[in-house]
Amino acid sequence: QQPVQSPQAVILREGEDAVINCSSSKALYSVHWYRQKHGEAPVFLMILLKGGEQKGHEKISASFNEKKQQSSLYLTASQLSYSGTYFCGPLEGPPPGGSEKLVFGKGTKLTVNP
Amino acid sequence: SQTIHQWPATLVQPVGSPLSLECTVEGTSNPNLYWYRQAAGRGLQLLFYSVGIGQISSEVPQNLSASRPQDRQFILSSKKLLLSDSGFYLCAWSVKVVAFFGQGTRLTVV
Repeated sequence: QQPVQSPQAVILREGEDAVINCSSSKALYSVHWYRQKHGEAPVFLMILLKGGEQKGHEKISASFNEKKQQSSLYLTASQLSYSGTYFCGPLEGPPPGGSEKLVFGKGTKLTVNP
Repeated sequence: SQTIHQWPATLVQPVGSPLSLECTVEGTSNPNLYWYRQAAGRGLQLLFYSVGIGQISSEVPQNLSASRPQDRQFILSSKKLLLSDSGFYLCAWSVKVVAFFGQGTRLTVV
């Protein structure tokens, strides 16, 4: 089941903040976040496990609420380098069985302008 | 350290021709392996995944097939390409949850 990401696209000016949401219809074990620059392969940003954990990468942080089956990615004081498409990839269970199938959301295209 | 190799980087093929894309992983054992397709400006569509040699799960019925002849080798094939097979094909591997992607193959079917 593909997770739902929102918004589909967001345009920011450098220094502004943004939130990208990811929700699933199924109970989740963990959530991944990836960023893809135009024409390149996606790159792993962070993983969040059960327990409401928050992680950080540069000025990008994320939260995971397993009860609500949701994760949010927070981009603070955005930089030009943050531009790209962000994908969430929820996992329904721990390895090996629950993490075999990696299905990603449709992505959120983030554009940061000077 | 682990690395993933995917080739070729770009490919232009005529409609009806066969396809073979290869992906190999180094530096790890028994990884989960994945093939994704990304149409222009679109999301990542999971095509196939494999948890072991000869074990292939197909996610989308289509004109493509996958094989895993060796532990760290994953091959995407087609007997006859369609125009709709054009896209950016990505191989990925994972061990203990996190996925790492190859650089992708941009396939144009003409």
